[in-house]
Amino acid sequence: LQLDESGPRLVRPSETLSVTCTVSGASIGSMSSYWGWIRQAPGRGLEWIGSIYYSGTTYYNPSVNSRVTISADMSRNQFYLRLTSVTAADTAIYYCAGDQFRNAWYKSWGQGTLVTVSS
Amino acid sequence: EVVLTQSPGTLALSPGDSATLSCRASQPITNNLLAWYQHKPGQAPRLLIYGASSRALGIPDRFSGSGSGTDFTLTIRSLDPDDFAVYYCQQCDASSLITFGQGTKVEF
Repeated sequence: LQLDESGPRLVRPSETLSVTCTVSGASIGSMSSYWGWIRQAPGRGLEWIGSIYYSGTTYYNPSVNSRVTISADMSRNQFYLRLTSVTAADTAIYYCAGDQFRNAWYKSWGQGTLVTVSS
Repeated sequence: EVVLTQSPGTLALSPGDSATLSCRASQPITNNLLAWYQHKPGQAPRLLIYGASSRALGIPDRFSGSGSGTDFTLTIRSLDPDDFAVYYCQQCDASSLITFGQGTKVEF
């Protein structure tokens, strides 16, 4: 199972951050598969952003709930992160991750993509 | 929200030593839905332990997890030079919301 993040590396303040995760080696729509986004700001720890299940159900961290949307395209085997009204505090390495059995942890991770919010 | 507090923040050890890392939850973690990860700079986090005590595939048996309720421990027996990294605990609550601890750095 391989996950690869892609998207713009630089986003201007107040704009929308968008990152794509392309999954290979498994179908994101297969029963009991669970996918998520996690980020790490410079010098900080890991922060869960949200999850999307094989069913399309989503869950979000309350700290970003009003700004975040996670969606998926089964035909492309991709899932997406969209974060609106970004500030410098959203500068981070964004990881996508997944597990094919449980929603409670992530066995497989992408290498991460650094997104910088700056004018 | 379940808050996970890890201690100590930093553990200074030498190869061959044993490491004991603690993770305390602000409320009981249901069904032992707790995991441990190893994270090195420039790399993806690596799942070590899931379900509080089950080793993930390919993880050496010098890594072990224990605990239940609000107190969990990751033990690394006989540290290998490759084990120096940051370790995070992570839980999933009954509302399917996930939180991470702030991390413990194991340094030489």
